[in-house]
Amino acid sequence: DQQVKQNSPSLSVQEGRISILNCDYTNSMFDYFLWYKKYPAEGPTFLISISSIKDKNEDGRFTVFLNKSAKHLSLHIVPSQPGDSAVYFCAATGKSNFGNEKLTFGTGTRLTIIP
Amino acid sequence: DADVTQTPRNRITKTGKRIMLECSQTKGHDRMYWYRQDPGLGLRLIYYSFDVKDINKGEISDGYSVSRQAQAKFSLSLESAIPNQTALYFCATSDPGRGDTQYFGPGTRLTVL
Repeated sequence: DQQVKQNSPSLSVQEGRISILNCDYTNSMFDYFLWYKKYPAEGPTFLISISSIKDKNEDGRFTVFLNKSAKHLSLHIVPSQPGDSAVYFCAATGKSNFGNEKLTFGTGTRLTIIP
Repeated sequence: DADVTQTPRNRITKTGKRIMLECSQTKGHDRMYWYRQDPGLGLRLIYYSFDVKDINKGEISDGYSVSRQAQAKFSLSLESAIPNQTALYFCATSDPGRGDTQYFGPGTRLTVL
């Protein structure tokens, strides 16, 4: 039972254009969402997060949008750069209900930026 | 120096062998976690610990055990390794006082033949 789904295993985007990575969730108890980025031979690194009380959070080139009614979030990267090529994981937790000890991860999307 | 380190980084072993993966952190975080990553399945939580006296099972704890020797050290053991435990294993830490964002180690690639 995959509670956090990333339906696109891979995505290729031209350098300078916008990259949009999508994530869907099924558990209505989730109220805090995170994106992690992973390079080969390294552990995932935290990128950006959003609480369910917001619908948008922005940090430089990265913006996360949350649509609670659709149980959908997306990560926008503008403009895309070659260093953004990595695997991106969406994660979710029910912070208000049982703390942040259990992150549920999606299966990841491999983003490739084409120079 | 890395804040979260894992040893070994790579390990090949045989079915039935006992294996220990170690994790150390210098971040001063109380919370530590062990995950495994399999192709197409993302990261799944094996065990987590909120402090030295606290151990909790995660989503897929069968076949694994853990030991929290100190605030900075959290070890994962496979008592009798089997081939379907071949995976990439990650340790992570977090601090609830600082947003509880999880910080990951570089991973251990384990192959069980």
